[in-house]
Amino acid sequence: TQLLEQSPQFLSIQEGENLTVYCNSSSVFSSLQWYRQEPGEGPVLLVTVVTGGEVKKLKRLTFQFGDARKDSSLHITAAQPGDTVLYLCAGRDNFNKFYFGSGTKLNVKP
Amino acid sequence: DVKVTQSSRYLVKRTGEKVFLECVQDMDHENMFWYRQDPGLGLRLIYFSYDVKMKEKGDIPEGYSVSREKKERFSLILESASTNQTSMYLCASSDGTDAYEQYFGPGTRLTVT
Repeated sequence: TQLLEQSPQFLSIQEGENLTVYCNSSSVFSSLQWYRQEPGEGPVLLVTVVTGGEVKKLKRLTFQFGDARKDSSLHITAAQPGDTVLYLCAGRDNFNKFYFGSGTKLNVKP
Repeated sequence: DVKVTQSSRYLVKRTGEKVFLECVQDMDHENMFWYRQDPGLGLRLIYFSYDVKMKEKGDIPEGYSVSREKKERFSLILESASTNQTSMYLCASSDGTDAYEQYFGPGTRLTVT
């Protein structure tokens, strides 16, 4: 059983569509991070959210941390083929250990 | 620019061999981590270290050990490699600030035959 449930596991959409990826847990986290990972490469940090209810924007990407700091979402507006990667969420507990979701593999078709 | 490097991108070893995976970071970070990544399972923490010569077990330490003799270097050791240790191994480092952001190396794809 994963501490962080990430959904959906796979997502295939047309260019220009919007999408949301979810990261849910029954545990409270000190912070939550989102990464993107290209095939054969290490994850690259996109954003860290720390405060409950926090919203951060990175161009067409919007990240939200739940009020109770148990869940998070990543929303992409007007998806482009360059968004085709694996997205990972990771929560940090009070002992500074990280727990990763299983990832969302996004495919944006031109 | 943040930099975490891993000694090999690809490695093929035989069952029973001792395997060393090296990780070096140039950001003077206190914290370093070793994960393995398998399809459908995400990243799972093997070991981490808060300081030189200190180590803590992660979620799946069995069959692995680590060494941190210098702040910038964190080594993962497979004492006797087995086929179920075929995986992508990722090293990360982070500072001790509130955000505790992790920076990853490019990964080592290890195949044990």
